[in-house]
Amino acid sequence: GENVGLHLPTLSVQEGDNSIINCAYSNSASDYFIWYKQESGKGPQFIIDIRSNMDKRQGQRVTVLLNKTVKHLSLQIAATQPGDSAVYFCAESAHSGTYKYIFGTGTRLKVLA
Amino acid sequence: EAQVTQNPRYLITVTGKKLTVTCSQNMNHEYMSWYRQDPGLGLRQIYYSMNVEVTDKGDVPEGYKVSRKEKRNFPLILESPSPNQTSLYFCASSSTGTSGRQVGEQYFGPGTRLTVT
Repeated sequence: GENVGLHLPTLSVQEGDNSIINCAYSNSASDYFIWYKQESGKGPQFIIDIRSNMDKRQGQRVTVLLNKTVKHLSLQIAATQPGDSAVYFCAESAHSGTYKYIFGTGTRLKVLA
Repeated sequence: EAQVTQNPRYLITVTGKKLTVTCSQNMNHEYMSWYRQDPGLGLRQIYYSMNVEVTDKGDVPEGYKVSRKEKRNFPLILESPSPNQTSLYFCASSSTGTSGRQVGEQYFGPGTRLTVT
C-alpha cells in the first residue's frame, strides 16, 4: 500500500550485498511462519515459509532461519538486487485448531545502487 | 491466470452507508481471509473462512461481516461504516492441502482503499 511504510524501520543495503531482515514473533504456540514481500501499491507476495519442526529452509536466493527458543525469525536475501526493494513482513500461525495469522509490522528494505 | 480479484479498488463513502467489498478467487482454494492494513500496525486479520459456510473471526472483526456461500467468493460487508474503518483492505486465499487443515501460501488480491468520511 502507498502509505503503509511511513512508520517502518528501514534497512539500507548495497546492491550485491546480503540482507538480513529480522522478526520477533509473539506466540510460543505458533508452528507455521511465512515471509511476505510487499511492493508499493501491491498486495503481499509469498516468499518462503517454514514449519516449527525445522530451523532453516532455503529457497532461491532466500533463506529463513527459525529460533524457537527466543521466538525469532530471520530472512536472508543473498546478492540483494534493486528489485528486492520492498516492505517485508513475517507472519505466524498456530494450526492446532485455529487458522488465524498474525503479521509483523514490517521492515522496509532499500537497495542502494 | 491464477488470481484474487477485489472490487472496488478505491471507495470513498460516508458514515453509516452500508457497503460491500467483493473478493473472488479462481484457484479453487478452500481458505479465504480478509485483512486490513494501517500504517504502523501491519496487516490485521478481520475474518477468515476454511470453506463454504464456515467462517470465523480474526483479530479485528468488530464492525464487519462476511459470508461464504460459494467457494470462489468471500465478500466483506460493512453494515454501518465509521471513519475508523478507513484503511487498505486485502483479501487472500489459500489451499488447505489434502488434509483440509494445512493452510499454506496465501495469494493476496490487489487491495481496496476505503475512505469513510
